[in-house]
Amino acid sequence: QKEVEQNSGPLSVPEGAIASLNCTYSDRGSQSFFWYRQYSGKSPELIMSIYSNGDKEDGRFTAQLNKASQYVSLLIRDSQPSDSATYLCAVNKNTDKLIFGTGTRLQVFP
Amino acid sequence: DTEVTQTPKHLVMGMTNKKSLKCEQHMGHRAMYWYKQKAKKPPELMFVYSYEKLSINESVPSRFSPECPNSSLLNLHLHALQPEDSALYLCASSLSLGTGTLQDGYTFGSGTRLTVV
Repeated sequence: QKEVEQNSGPLSVPEGAIASLNCTYSDRGSQSFFWYRQYSGKSPELIMSIYSNGDKEDGRFTAQLNKASQYVSLLIRDSQPSDSATYLCAVNKNTDKLIFGTGTRLQVFP
Repeated sequence: DTEVTQTPKHLVMGMTNKKSLKCEQHMGHRAMYWYKQKAKKPPELMFVYSYEKLSINESVPSRFSPECPNSSLLNLHLHALQPEDSALYLCASSLSLGTGTLQDGYTFGSGTRLTVV
C-alpha cells in the first residue's frame, strides 16, 4: 500500500463546475496535509494546508480532512481552464519530510 | 522575500563534468531540501538539511553531494552523472520548528532542468 494515494486522472470537468480531488493516506499518525498545484514544466506551488478535521476554505478552494477515514480532499469551485494542472497531495508526520502522492491531472475544458 | 531562488534554470552537462546547483532563501527557514522529479512523477526526496545539518539522505548515489554552507544556502554538487539522472531538480525550504512539524508546507524554487548527455 502506498503511503499517499491519488487517482492519476485525468479528471475532466467543464468550466464553471466543481472539481473534486481526493487523496488517502496510510499512516494514522500523519499530522499535516497539503495540496500543491503543478503546471507542466513548473515547480509545485502550495495552495492549501489543513491540520484539523473539517473544512478549510480559501477563495475558490476548499480542503477537507477526515482523519478517521484517512482521507483528504480538495474542492475547486467555478473551475477555470487556468486550473488545469497536476494536483499533488502531500502528508507529513512530525518529521521534516513530506510524502507526496503521485498527483491527479485536472483538465478544465471551456 | 518569500522566494526560493535556484540557479541555473537549465543545465546541460556531460557525464565527465562537475557542476553545482545552487539554492538560496531569505525567509528564515531552517530546513532545506533537494528533490528530483522525473516527467509525470511526483517529487522524490533526495536530501534534507535541518539547522544546517544533514538530517535525511534517501540513499542517493554519491555522484550527488549536498552542501549547506549557511542557513540561507544549499548546494548540490554533481559529478560523473548518468543520462538517467536527467530530471527537474527542485530545492525547497520550510519553517522547521525543530520538532519536525511543518507549519506551512514547503516553498519550492522554480527548479533546475538538468540534461546529462
